[in-house]
Amino acid sequence: DAKTTQPNSMESNEEEPVHLPCNHSTISGTDYIHWYRQLPSQGPEYVIHGLTSNVNNRMASLAIAEDRKSSTLILHRATLRDAAVYYCILLNSGGSNYKLTFGKGTLLTVNP
Amino acid sequence: NAGVTQTPKFQVLKTGQSMTLQCAQDMNHEYMSWYRQDPGMGLRLIHYSVGAGITDQGEVPNGYNVSRSTTEDFPLRLLSAAPSQTSVYFCASMHLSSYEQYFGPGTRLTVT
Repeated sequence: DAKTTQPNSMESNEEEPVHLPCNHSTISGTDYIHWYRQLPSQGPEYVIHGLTSNVNNRMASLAIAEDRKSSTLILHRATLRDAAVYYCILLNSGGSNYKLTFGKGTLLTVNP
Repeated sequence: NAGVTQTPKFQVLKTGQSMTLQCAQDMNHEYMSWYRQDPGMGLRLIHYSVGAGITDQGEVPNGYNVSRSTTEDFPLRLLSAAPSQTSVYFCASMHLSSYEQYFGPGTRLTVT
């Protein structure tokens, strides 16, 4: 499985934008970039995913570098509820088990 | 929609006991899976199913059995509990066409 690298932790202030980076230099052409987050004592929650183009949904935006070796999850206005561990995961579209390989992720702290 | 539900929320077992962790979803998802999360670690895939009557092993299947007799339910059976199976167990489901996995709230299992 291709690996991802994320900072261990980041801090933000409430109502400010947050840019969470992810490096995936060994990504293959059929790997989708997924983001999940896990709030304390809860199960992981899907945030967004993309292949090549930038993606937007009601939760966040995903900016993918042109060479696809890195991506950035953008939370446009952080709230206290966004404090969580954010996982950047590569999922190969050709695989049959849809296994999500969770690393250590980035612990996002949001200050009031 | 209730989404993905798991029971029980908490369970304490003695070594050697068996039990079944229940998982149900009401979204008509074809794909269901079980993960375990140990302290300070990412989630690891135990078993998965791409439809009723079809199951397969994930990354850490030893000591666990699954069955999928209906689309809605995917129980995980611990055959003979061991302290190494102390963990938080998450069930997830997904439409095969969407790549968005929905996770349940988890079952916290302690084996003494």
